[in-house]
Amino acid sequence: NAGVMQNPRHLVRRRGQEARLRCSPMKGHSHVYWYRQLPEEGLKFMVYLQKENIIDESGMPKERFSAEFPKEGPSILRIQQVVRGDSAAYFCASSPSGTGRNEQFFGPGTRLTVL
Amino acid sequence: LAKTTQPISMDSYEGQEVNITCSHNNIATNDYITWYQQFPSQGPRFIIQGYKTKVTNEVASLFIPADRKSSTLSLPRVSLSDTAVYYCLPTEGGKLIFGQGTELSVKP
Repeated sequence: NAGVMQNPRHLVRRRGQEARLRCSPMKGHSHVYWYRQLPEEGLKFMVYLQKENIIDESGMPKERFSAEFPKEGPSILRIQQVVRGDSAAYFCASSPSGTGRNEQFFGPGTRLTVL
Repeated sequence: LAKTTQPISMDSYEGQEVNITCSHNNIATNDYITWYQQFPSQGPRFIIQGYKTKVTNEVASLFIPADRKSSTLSLPRVSLSDTAVYYCLPTEGGKLIFGQGTELSVKP
């Protein structure tokens, strides 16, 4: 059973460009979470999605950031008009359910660098 | 959500037992207590989870007193590869709220 897959592993963008980060959850997992880790800081929750639904987006910046988890295909975190402050590691996690003993399995992360 | 307090850093030597204590005074009735490990440039990895008393798996033990206001992660006989950041999180499903974690450094 393959783990959580994220691609690309490294992404370089210039200011103003768009960044699209992909996450394929573990087989059988329908709950996906995105976290961001700024350099020298801890992980911060961004958004929690279940197939075709956003459950909790309380950690998402109000502008430029969006996320989706379609019925078919990976979850996508999209950052429009990137700025240098968006440079960070973005981790995706998945779980089989969203309640109780909610062990989340993390991917290797995508490291975004904005020039 | 319950706020957690852990030591910022700890040092140990290979072969020693390491105990990391986390306080979570305001833990909710429905919360489990979960510990994650993170190596540099990697995503966090689940270590152990419990609700109360003691839980043991092949990697660690977790001790939770009756009042559940704290928990202690015990790593037996650490090795250099256990050098990592360890996070204690109350969890009830949904998002995980990571604190600063404890940076464990294991020396030869």
